[in-house]
Amino acid sequence: QKEVEQNSGPLSVPEGAIASLNCTYSDRGSQSFFWYRQYSGKSPELIMFIYSNGDKEDGRFTAQLNKASQYVSLLIRDSQPSDSATYLCAVKIDNAGNMLTFGGGTRLMVKP
Amino acid sequence: NAGVMQNPRHLVRRRGQEARLRCSPMKGHSHVYWYRQLPEEGLKFMVYLQKENIIDESGMPKERFSAEFPKEGPSILRIQQVVRGDSAAYFCASSPTTETQYFGPGTRLLVL
Repeated sequence: QKEVEQNSGPLSVPEGAIASLNCTYSDRGSQSFFWYRQYSGKSPELIMFIYSNGDKEDGRFTAQLNKASQYVSLLIRDSQPSDSATYLCAVKIDNAGNMLTFGGGTRLMVKP
Repeated sequence: NAGVMQNPRHLVRRRGQEARLRCSPMKGHSHVYWYRQLPEEGLKFMVYLQKENIIDESGMPKERFSAEFPKEGPSILRIQQVVRGDSAAYFCASSPTTETQYFGPGTRLLVL
């Protein structure tokens, strides 16, 4: 079983819709959760991080964490074509050093 | 405030040659991480360093790969006797503490 799992997609949504990206993780010792956006041929860009159960909002982005169910999600409201990219979920596991464990990423396509 | 800098951005080597990848962290960041992204695969942790110390190298291949972060100058990831399977994007990330990591633009290594 992979430590961090994401549906590879592509997830296709129309412009203006809400895009919902999901991530599950296997290690209950996971403490910190990060969402990165990666455009094709570019480097990962940090979007949000979340440490506590519940929702965290930043502009059009909302991260949701449920430690009991071991999932973290990212909602993108009013999706724009410029949001089309691969979204990477990353987890830092307590007592496993500072490394990030990444999921395979979900490719999002926002159609005009 | 300049971001994480990596050079070269593209590197072509023939099998058996050495590859040296350099990373300068963001100003004020003392933690440096190296990740590798193979074609069509996710990001994988390689090594975590602080100045003059390797903190965690659990993701480094046992042979041919080494990393350093000297007191002065950039962090160096060195790959000796490169093989075609080393072709990948190598990303450096830095952080001010042990939390949020910011990625550089990456070095795309192509082994002929």
